[in-house]
Formats: sequence, C-alpha cells, structure tokens
Amino acid sequence: GQQLNQSPQSMFIQEGEDVSMNCTSSSIFNTWLWYKQDPGEGPVLLIALYKAGELTSNGRLTAQFGITRKDSFLNISASIPSDVGIYFCAGLNTDKLIFGTGTRLQVFP
Amino acid sequence: NAGVTQTPKFQVLKTGQSMTLQCAQDMNHEYMSWYRQDPGMGLRLIHYSVGAGITDQGEVPNGYNVSRSTTEDFPLRLLSAAPSQTSVYFCASSYRPQNEQFFGPGTRLTVL
Repeated sequence: GQQLNQSPQSMFIQEGEDVSMNCTSSSIFNTWLWYKQDPGEGPVLLIALYKAGELTSNGRLTAQFGITRKDSFLNISASIPSDVGIYFCAGLNTDKLIFGTGTRLQVFP
Repeated sequence: NAGVTQTPKFQVLKTGQSMTLQCAQDMNHEYMSWYRQDPGMGLRLIHYSVGAGITDQGEVPNGYNVSRSTTEDFPLRLLSAAPSQTSVYFCASSYRPQNEQFFGPGTRLTVL
C-alpha cells in the first residue's frame, strides 16, 4: 500500500528556534495536509495544500506542496512551548487520506 | 454542535469477543472514516464512507466491518477481537475528503 515517510521521527529544540520537517511518498498525491496531535486528543488540521508548488502560511507555520507531488514540507518559526506535540502529514488521493508516521516535537524553555 | 462523538472512551475485551465502536457527528458531513493509531505507526485508515449507504476499505480493513445507514452514524464492528487489534481508534468526518477532517476523542481498546 501507499506509505508516507516522515522525518525526522522526533525533534528536541529550544524555545525560539525554527523547525523543519518533511514528508515523502512513493506515490503522487493531489492534496497534502498537515495535522497536529496533542496528547490524548485527535489530530487537528494546521494547513491544507491543493496544488503542486503551492506555499501556504498559517501564522508561524509555513507548508509547501512539492513540485513532484510526492513530498511536502512544514516549517515552524520561532517555536514556543505550546508547539509541543506530534505533527502528521497526510496525502489524499481520490477518497483515501493516508497519514505519515509523525514527527514528535519537544520544545524546551 | 457536539462535533464528532465516540463511545466508549475505553474498552477491554477478551480474545474472540465482538463489539461495536460507536461514532456520530452532527455537522451533516458526508465523508466519515475510521483510523487506528499504534505507537510509531501514525494513523492507518481502516474503512471510510463517502455518504449514507456507501462504504469502502482503507489500508487495514481485515477484522473490521462498517455500515453507514444514516449520514450521522458510522459504527465500527470488531467481529472476533484479537490482541493485534489493541490500539486507539479515531473516527473522523468532513464534508468531502479534501476538506478538514474533524476527529473524535478516540476509543482506547485493549484486547487480552
């Protein structure tokens, strides 16, 4: 089946640092989504990307839909303690949304 | 609006038992889906539905059944529980697959 590889698996950073994570696939996707999951809760949508090459921002978050349609990137600028959580990419083809394995982010003050 | 609700929150089963995880949404969403989340595996799609009366298989459908008799409800049935089905199960809904999916709070299932 389709697989989404996310990297890094985990990150430990200091408050104020910028963060970059990415997601790659062996398959092409028509839509890329980025979600954040807090402990004990379901994922919440951060950013949606609908077109190859698209660059979209949401506050301190910026995500890009790769030109090949097989990858996507998420950047978080000036991290704060509440950025802690697990970040998931997800790719959509027709009706199936496939999630990546997640990047666990820890922010130290 | 209650959003997406799931019951029960926690469940312990013995191997071979059957049960139904309930999921309901009050947002009139057409698209609903079930995922399981295991450590290090992210969320894997079990089954999904694009509307009442229509269901389809996701990445890991074996051992699970679903039905969608109404727009609001999308129950997930475990036919004969196995320890490999120990996981956290999330239900989600959206207007269409490419729109934001709203997730329920999850059901933590342990199969002994």
